[in-house]
Amino acid sequence: DVKVTQSSRYLVKRTGEKVFLECVQDMDHENMFWYRQDPGLGLRLIYFSYDVKMKEKGDIPEGYSVSREKKERFSLILESASTNQTSMYLCASSFPLAGTDTQYFGPGTRLTVL
Amino acid sequence: QKEVEQDPGPLSVPEGAIVSLNCTYSNSAFQYFMWYRQYSRKGPELLMYTYSSGNKEDGRFTAQVDKSSKYISLFIRDSQPSDSATYLCAMSRGARGETSGSRLTFGEGTQLTVNP
Repeated sequence: DVKVTQSSRYLVKRTGEKVFLECVQDMDHENMFWYRQDPGLGLRLIYFSYDVKMKEKGDIPEGYSVSREKKERFSLILESASTNQTSMYLCASSFPLAGTDTQYFGPGTRLTVL
Repeated sequence: QKEVEQDPGPLSVPEGAIVSLNCTYSNSAFQYFMWYRQYSRKGPELLMYTYSSGNKEDGRFTAQVDKSSKYISLFIRDSQPSDSATYLCAMSRGARGETSGSRLTFGEGTQLTVNP
């Protein structure tokens, strides 16, 4: 059974703080993704990684960075948190399904920036 | 304009009803179509997956894809209160091995409540 775990379910931070969100998957998946989910906007891709130390920008990378030093771990970093980064953050890892890859999600981290 | 459009609802039905959830899309390159179910305060979980046009059935769930109309549907028969969740459609161009090809584009999600 694939497991994607995220370091925190709920997090409260102050404006300007540096925030680390950690994601770990246990199935040796190559691809990992970070999304944020907001009412009215759905799931939006922030960054993804297709290999260790490799990363690509998603649709909304501004204000975020990522790190993938080991295959099983993908970190999302908010260098200086702002109130508009209050959101649900979802991590996913990708596994093969027929001709494409599909994604298995973690439980999410609800981040509030005050 | 969004690449994938999905009515956010909310949709409320009585137990036992047939539910129809829909998405439209604009990118003709999409070939793989998925439905995810997301319970409150949880991450999305894959429910159904189809390739290209056609139907796929899994128990009470049927997924339909009409590529000519760029329209996909999820039908739930004999709906149960446990089906109450947000349903998200997702699609990709496919092409495993291409890093951009396996990216998913999601609809906004439709919130469904099945009343006992």
